[in-house]
Amino acid sequence: DARVTQTPRDKVTEMGQEVTMRCQPILGHNTVFWYRQTMMQGLELLAYFRNRAPLDDSGMPKDRFSAEMPDATLATLKIQPSEPRDSAVYFCASGLAIQGAMGEAFFGQGTRLTVV
Amino acid sequence: AQKVTQAQTEISVVEKEDVTLDCVYETRDTTYYLFWYKQPPSGELVFLIRRNSFDEQNEISGRYSWNFQKSTSSFNFTITASQVVDSAVYFCALSERQGGSEKLVFGKGMKLTVNP
Repeated sequence: DARVTQTPRDKVTEMGQEVTMRCQPILGHNTVFWYRQTMMQGLELLAYFRNRAPLDDSGMPKDRFSAEMPDATLATLKIQPSEPRDSAVYFCASGLAIQGAMGEAFFGQGTRLTVV
Repeated sequence: AQKVTQAQTEISVVEKEDVTLDCVYETRDTTYYLFWYKQPPSGELVFLIRRNSFDEQNEISGRYSWNFQKSTSSFNFTITASQVVDSAVYFCALSERQGGSEKLVFGKGMKLTVNP
């Protein structure tokens, strides 16, 4: 049963600390998304990759957030330094885009981040 | 730029009532894809439907139906005879065909509460 796996599920950290969230996309999917969910903003697209190449990270605060995909089985989202306003649920999703057609995106269970 | 608007933020109904969730989108592309996702209280995002811009036929799946109208840029979702298990946050999303950089942009979501 293929699924997107995110770790950790929950993370509580102190302001100023580095946070790394990991995502294992579904094998064979060529597109990976990172979203942040808050009550006020809903699901915001932070960054996404196609065939491991970053396509758009304009949704991320550049000074503190970074997203990478070191190999096809791992995507990471890092926050350094973290701030209380970063508290949110972060979702990773993967999907298959073929000839301009984006298919269904499969979501992980999310990482609930709390920065105190 | 692609944009999805879900004007209703929250709806509360009594079981067995019909309810329609509105979704309005903006795009400059002639080819695009529309999606609906459900997020139950457990937090995971569940795919419901994907529709391409060339298929304006309405779709029915059990108690769920979708009305796609290009003339008004809307892709509305109706739940017939709602049940308590339908209580969730529902998201509408859009993906434009962008020649290799397709992304998936969500509306802010609409919280549906179905009371017994």
